[in-house]
Amino acid sequence: AQSVTQLGSHVSVSEGALVLLRCNYSSSVPPYLFWYVQYPNQGLQLLLKYTSAATLVKGINGFEAEFKKSETSFHLTKPSAHMSDAAEYFCAVTSGTYKYIFGTGTRLKVLA
Amino acid sequence: DTAVSQTPKYLVTQMGNDKSIKCEQNLGHDTMYWYKQDSKKFLKIMFSYNNKELIINETVPNRFSPKSPDKAHLNLHINSLELGDSAVYFCASSHLYWTTKSQETQYFGPGTRLLVL
Repeated sequence: AQSVTQLGSHVSVSEGALVLLRCNYSSSVPPYLFWYVQYPNQGLQLLLKYTSAATLVKGINGFEAEFKKSETSFHLTKPSAHMSDAAEYFCAVTSGTYKYIFGTGTRLKVLA
Repeated sequence: DTAVSQTPKYLVTQMGNDKSIKCEQNLGHDTMYWYKQDSKKFLKIMFSYNNKELIINETVPNRFSPKSPDKAHLNLHINSLELGDSAVYFCASSHLYWTTKSQETQYFGPGTRLLVL
């Protein structure tokens, strides 16, 4: 069975500071990993995805994530937070099937 | 042009009523999904259809019945609504893995906010 754990349901950073959102996964087969962002009252939008091509994945809006098999992690980072980054972020895992498992989400707050 | 659309956006209804939510995608995908997001933002898959056939049916009460008239549409009908059904329901679509041999992204609709009084 697959699972995803997002550490920290709420993360606050100052504008301009580094953003680090943590995601650890569990999978018995090579996983495919995703980060989605959800702005208030909107649907989920893909930020980036890992599909075994490269361990460092660059996404939209300056976000990137690194797949570390030894640590079973896929943490999301952005060098400099912007006010517009305030949203809910979801990590998801799947294994080449139709079932995606989502984490419980991390709400990012950006302080002026 | 909207990729995945849902109607209605908001739905307020009384307990015991029957209601439907509609979803349409114009991305040419062959697989569609229904998710439920509760008040704590937890997102859980309910159903998935591939080419009009049910492929995922999670532990969901029988009061929930999905219908896919064609691969571009997936509707959700809910009978005898209960207070606990209040949530945001998201439709999503994607290509299926073994169709494209790569893990395809799911595209989400804007959600339907259901409030049962």
